[in-house]
Amino acid sequence: AQSVTQLDSHVSVSEGTPVLLRCNYSSSYSPSLFWYVQHPNKGLQLLLKYTSAATLVKGINGFEAEFKKSETSFHLTKPSAHMSDAAEYFCVVKDSGNQFYFGTGTSLTVIP
Amino acid sequence: DAGITQSPRHKVTETGTPVTLRCHQTENHRYMYWYRQDPGHGLRLIHYSYGVKDTDKGEVSDGYSVSRSKTEDFLLTLESATSSQTSVYFCATALTTGGNYGYTFGSGTRLTVV
Repeated sequence: AQSVTQLDSHVSVSEGTPVLLRCNYSSSYSPSLFWYVQHPNKGLQLLLKYTSAATLVKGINGFEAEFKKSETSFHLTKPSAHMSDAAEYFCVVKDSGNQFYFGTGTSLTVIP
Repeated sequence: DAGITQSPRHKVTETGTPVTLRCHQTENHRYMYWYRQDPGHGLRLIHYSYGVKDTDKGEVSDGYSVSRSKTEDFLLTLESATSSQTSVYFCATALTTGGNYGYTFGSGTRLTVV
């Protein structure tokens, strides 16, 4: 069975400081992993994806994530937060079929 | 999300009435999904489709039905709406390659059942 745990429901950072959003997963197979971002009153947008290629994945808007199989983690990072990064972030795991499993989300606040 | 259109964008309905939400895609994706989004729960899968007239249940399918008569349209019906179905509903599509490219999402439908 697959599951996704986002370890923080809320994260606050100051503008210009690093962002770390944590995600752990469980999967019986070699999974595909994704991060999505949702801005207020908007749909979800794909930030980046891991599909068994390079373990360090670069996404849009300066975000990146590292797949660590030994830790079953896929944490999202960004070196320097911008005000426009304030949003809800979802970690998603896809199993060998076609079902996607979403974490409960992490709300990122960026303080000026 | 330009290739996926959800309608209506907002709806208020009374308890016990039927409601149908529509998802229309121009992506020609084989797989389509309906999710609901609620605080503290993330997105939960209601139903999905892996082709025309091929559908299956997700984790929260009770009280919902779906139909897919054409590749481009995926309808979600609440047979008799309840207040617990107040939520934001998202449609998503995925490529035929098992979804390794992730989803494409619609902009959502905000449904309020009073």
